[in-house]
Amino acid sequence: DAGVIQSPRHEVTEMGQEVTLRCKPISGHDYLFWYRQTMMRGLELLIYFNNNVPIDDSGMPEDRFSAKMPNASFSTLKIQPSEPRDSAVYFCASSLGDRSNEQFFGPGTRLTVL
Amino acid sequence: GIQVEQSPPDLILQEGANSTLRCNFSDSVNNLQWFHQNPWGQLINLFYIPSGTKQNGRLSATTVATERYSLLYISSSQTTDSGVYFCAVGYRAGGGADGLTFGKGTHLIIQP
Repeated sequence: DAGVIQSPRHEVTEMGQEVTLRCKPISGHDYLFWYRQTMMRGLELLIYFNNNVPIDDSGMPEDRFSAKMPNASFSTLKIQPSEPRDSAVYFCASSLGDRSNEQFFGPGTRLTVL
Repeated sequence: GIQVEQSPPDLILQEGANSTLRCNFSDSVNNLQWFHQNPWGQLINLFYIPSGTKQNGRLSATTVATERYSLLYISSSQTTDSGVYFCAVGYRAGGGADGLTFGKGTHLIIQP
Protein backbone atom coordinates (compact mmCIF):
# COMPACT_ATOMS: atom_id res chain seq x y z
CA ASP A 1 0.00 0.00 0.00
CA ALA A 2 1.46 3.36 -1.01
CA GLY A 3 2.18 5.84 1.73
CA VAL A 4 1.60 9.58 1.63
CA ILE A 5 2.93 10.99 -1.63
CA GLN A 6 4.28 14.53 -1.94
CA SER A 7 5.56 16.46 -4.92
CA PRO A 8 7.87 17.98 -5.77
CA ARG A 9 10.54 16.64 -3.40
CA HIS A 10 12.68 19.72 -3.90
CA GLU A 11 11.71 23.19 -5.08
CA VAL A 12 13.97 26.16 -5.62
CA THR A 13 12.32 29.42 -6.57
CA GLU A 14 12.91 33.13 -6.46
CA MET A 15 11.30 35.57 -4.09
CA GLY A 16 7.93 36.73 -5.34
CA GLN A 17 7.14 33.59 -7.30
CA GLU A 18 4.12 31.39 -6.66
CA VAL A 19 4.85 27.96 -5.18
CA THR A 20 2.44 25.00 -5.17
CA LEU A 21 3.10 21.90 -3.09
CA ARG A 22 1.06 18.76 -3.64
CA CYS A 23 -0.02 15.86 -1.47
CA LYS A 24 -1.84 12.58 -2.00
CA PRO A 25 -2.94 11.01 1.31
CA ILE A 26 -3.18 7.31 2.04
CA SER A 27 -6.32 5.90 0.46
CA GLY A 28 -9.21 5.73 2.92
CA HIS A 29 -7.76 8.27 5.36
CA ASP A 30 -10.24 10.94 6.39
CA TYR A 31 -7.78 13.49 7.79
CA LEU A 32 -4.99 15.37 6.03
CA PHE A 33 -2.44 17.60 7.74
CA TRP A 34 0.16 20.08 6.51
CA TYR A 35 3.23 20.76 8.70
CA ARG A 36 6.34 22.87 8.29
CA GLN A 37 9.80 22.19 9.73
CA THR A 38 12.40 24.91 10.25
CA MET A 39 15.49 25.12 12.40
CA MET A 40 14.06 28.04 14.36
CA ARG A 41 10.54 26.78 15.01
CA GLY A 42 10.83 23.01 14.68
CA LEU A 43 7.83 21.06 13.38
CA GLU A 44 4.57 23.00 13.46
CA LEU A 45 1.05 22.38 12.21
CA LEU A 46 -0.17 24.68 9.48
CA ILE A 47 -3.66 23.38 8.66
CA TYR A 48 -5.69 20.19 8.64
CA PHE A 49 -8.73 18.84 6.82
CA ASN A 50 -11.41 16.31 7.70
CA ASN A 51 -13.31 14.81 4.76
CA ASN A 52 -11.90 17.56 2.52
CA VAL A 53 -13.13 20.38 4.81
CA PRO A 54 -10.59 22.65 6.54
CA ILE A 55 -10.96 22.26 10.31
CA ASP A 56 -8.16 24.35 11.78
CA ASP A 57 -6.04 26.82 9.82
CA SER A 58 -4.79 28.79 12.82
CA GLY A 59 -1.24 27.71 12.07
CA MET A 60 -1.15 29.24 8.61
CA PRO A 61 1.40 32.02 8.99
CA GLU A 62 -0.05 34.68 6.69
CA ASP A 63 -2.52 35.37 3.93
CA ARG A 64 0.19 34.47 1.46
CA PHE A 65 -0.44 30.83 2.40
CA SER A 66 -3.52 28.95 1.24
CA ALA A 67 -4.48 25.27 1.19
CA LYS A 68 -7.18 23.36 -0.62
CA MET A 69 -8.46 19.81 -0.74
CA PRO A 70 -10.69 19.47 -3.81
CA ASN A 71 -11.18 15.74 -3.30
CA ALA A 72 -10.27 12.91 -0.93
CA SER A 73 -7.07 12.04 -2.78
CA PHE A 74 -5.44 15.42 -3.39
CA SER A 75 -4.43 18.56 -1.51
CA THR A 76 -2.35 21.60 -2.36
CA LEU A 77 -0.50 24.15 -0.29
CA LYS A 78 0.16 27.38 -2.15
CA ILE A 79 2.44 30.27 -1.26
CA GLN A 80 1.94 33.48 -3.23
CA PRO A 81 4.14 35.48 -3.24
CA SER A 82 6.96 33.44 -1.75
CA GLU A 83 9.61 34.99 0.53
CA PRO A 84 13.03 33.72 1.67
CA ARG A 85 11.67 33.12 5.20
CA ASP A 86 9.29 30.53 3.73
CA SER A 87 12.27 28.25 3.10
CA ALA A 88 11.58 25.05 5.04
CA VAL A 89 10.61 21.42 4.67
CA TYR A 90 6.86 21.02 4.23
CA PHE A 91 5.33 17.72 5.31
CA CYS A 92 1.93 16.29 4.55
CA ALA A 93 0.42 13.62 6.80
CA SER A 94 -2.81 11.64 6.90
CA SER A 95 -4.75 9.55 9.42
CA LEU A 96 -7.90 7.47 9.65
CA GLY A 97 -9.21 9.85 12.29
CA ASP A 98 -12.05 8.39 14.33
CA ARG A 99 -10.82 4.84 13.86
CA SER A 100 -7.21 5.67 14.66
CA ASN A 101 -5.47 8.97 15.31
CA GLU A 102 -2.06 7.69 14.19
CA GLN A 103 -0.62 10.04 11.58
CA PHE A 104 1.61 8.92 8.72
CA PHE A 105 3.95 11.39 7.09
CA GLY A 106 5.06 11.86 3.53
CA PRO A 107 8.71 12.37 2.56
CA GLY A 108 8.38 16.17 2.61
CA THR A 109 9.09 18.93 0.11
CA ARG A 110 12.25 20.94 0.69
CA LEU A 111 11.51 24.51 -0.40
CA THR A 112 14.23 27.06 -0.96
CA VAL A 113 13.23 30.64 -1.78
CA LEU A 114 16.14 32.75 -3.03
CA GLY B 1 -1.94 24.84 23.70
CA ILE B 2 -0.22 21.69 24.90
CA GLN B 3 3.46 22.03 25.79
CA VAL B 4 5.84 19.16 24.99
CA GLU B 5 9.29 18.87 26.52
CA GLN B 6 11.81 16.23 25.52
CA SER B 7 14.98 15.24 27.32
CA PRO B 8 17.84 14.98 26.93
CA PRO B 9 18.25 17.32 23.93
CA ASP B 10 21.43 15.54 22.84
CA LEU B 11 22.79 12.07 23.54
CA ILE B 12 26.00 10.44 22.36
CA LEU B 13 26.42 6.70 22.99
CA GLN B 14 28.63 3.84 21.96
CA GLU B 15 27.21 1.07 19.84
CA GLY B 16 25.56 -1.54 22.05
CA ALA B 17 24.50 0.86 24.79
CA ASN B 18 20.94 1.31 26.04
CA SER B 19 19.13 4.63 26.31
CA THR B 20 15.95 6.18 27.66
CA LEU B 21 14.34 9.22 26.08
CA ARG B 22 11.68 11.16 27.95
CA CYS B 23 8.69 13.21 26.83
CA ASN B 24 6.66 15.35 29.24
CA PHE B 25 3.41 16.98 28.19
CA SER B 26 1.30 19.60 29.89
CA ASP B 27 -2.29 18.41 29.36
CA SER B 28 -4.51 15.45 28.53
CA VAL B 29 -3.85 13.78 25.19
CA ASN B 30 -5.61 11.21 23.05
CA ASN B 31 -2.73 10.88 20.62
CA LEU B 32 0.94 10.39 21.38
CA GLN B 33 3.43 9.30 18.77
CA TRP B 34 7.17 8.71 18.70
CA PHE B 35 9.02 9.34 15.45
CA HIS B 36 12.56 8.84 14.24
CA GLN B 37 13.79 11.42 11.75
CA ASN B 38 16.58 9.79 9.81
CA PRO B 39 19.52 11.65 8.22
CA TRP B 40 17.52 11.96 4.97
CA GLY B 41 14.79 13.85 6.79
CA GLN B 42 12.11 11.16 6.71
CA LEU B 43 9.78 10.91 9.71
CA ILE B 44 9.48 7.23 10.57
CA ASN B 45 6.64 6.11 12.83
CA LEU B 46 7.94 4.22 15.84
CA PHE B 47 4.97 4.04 18.18
CA TYR B 48 1.40 5.25 18.45
CA ILE B 49 1.01 5.11 22.22
CA PRO B 50 -1.47 7.45 23.96
CA SER B 51 -1.32 5.08 26.93
CA GLY B 52 0.21 1.79 27.98
CA THR B 53 3.32 -0.07 26.87
CA LYS B 54 4.40 -1.38 23.47
CA GLN B 55 7.48 -3.14 22.17
CA ASN B 56 8.90 -3.51 18.71
CA GLY B 57 12.20 -5.35 18.53
CA ARG B 58 14.89 -3.38 20.34
CA LEU B 59 12.55 -0.47 20.92
CA SER B 60 9.83 -0.12 23.50
CA ALA B 61 7.70 2.74 24.79
CA THR B 62 5.58 3.47 27.82
CA THR B 63 3.08 6.28 28.30
CA VAL B 64 1.67 7.12 31.72
CA ALA B 65 -1.14 9.42 30.70
CA THR B 66 -2.22 10.25 34.26
CA GLU B 67 1.28 11.55 35.02
CA ARG B 68 1.71 13.14 31.58
CA TYR B 69 4.90 11.53 30.39
CA SER B 70 6.14 8.96 27.94
CA LEU B 71 9.42 7.08 27.72
CA LEU B 72 11.14 5.57 24.69
CA TYR B 73 13.68 2.82 25.36
CA ILE B 74 16.33 1.83 22.86
CA SER B 75 18.36 -1.26 23.69
CA SER B 76 21.59 -2.50 22.11
CA SER B 77 21.98 0.67 20.03
CA GLN B 78 23.19 0.45 16.45
CA THR B 79 24.70 3.20 14.30
CA THR B 80 21.52 3.18 12.21
CA ASP B 81 19.61 4.37 15.30
CA SER B 82 21.29 7.76 14.95
CA GLY B 83 19.03 10.69 14.17
CA VAL B 84 16.45 12.84 15.90
CA TYR B 85 13.66 11.31 17.96
CA PHE B 86 10.46 13.31 18.24
CA CYS B 87 7.58 12.97 20.61
CA ALA B 88 4.31 14.49 19.35
CA VAL B 89 0.95 14.78 21.06
CA GLY B 90 -2.58 15.73 20.15
CA TYR B 91 -5.95 16.13 21.79
CA ARG B 92 -9.43 16.68 20.48
CA ALA B 93 -12.45 16.78 22.76
CA GLY B 94 -15.15 14.39 21.62
CA GLY B 95 -12.77 12.18 19.68
CA GLY B 96 -11.54 12.52 16.15
CA ALA B 97 -8.10 13.61 15.10
CA ASP B 98 -6.21 16.79 15.85
CA GLY B 99 -2.95 18.25 14.70
CA LEU B 100 0.16 17.12 16.52
CA THR B 101 2.29 19.34 18.74
CA PHE B 102 5.91 18.28 18.50
CA GLY B 103 8.68 18.48 21.05
CA LYS B 104 12.09 19.83 20.04
CA GLY B 105 13.47 16.33 19.76
CA THR B 106 16.40 14.32 21.13
CA HIS B 107 19.41 14.24 18.82
CA LEU B 108 20.95 10.78 19.21
CA ILE B 109 24.39 9.87 17.90
CA ILE B 110 25.55 6.25 18.08
CA GLN B 111 29.29 5.89 17.63
CA PRO B 112 30.80 2.63 16.34
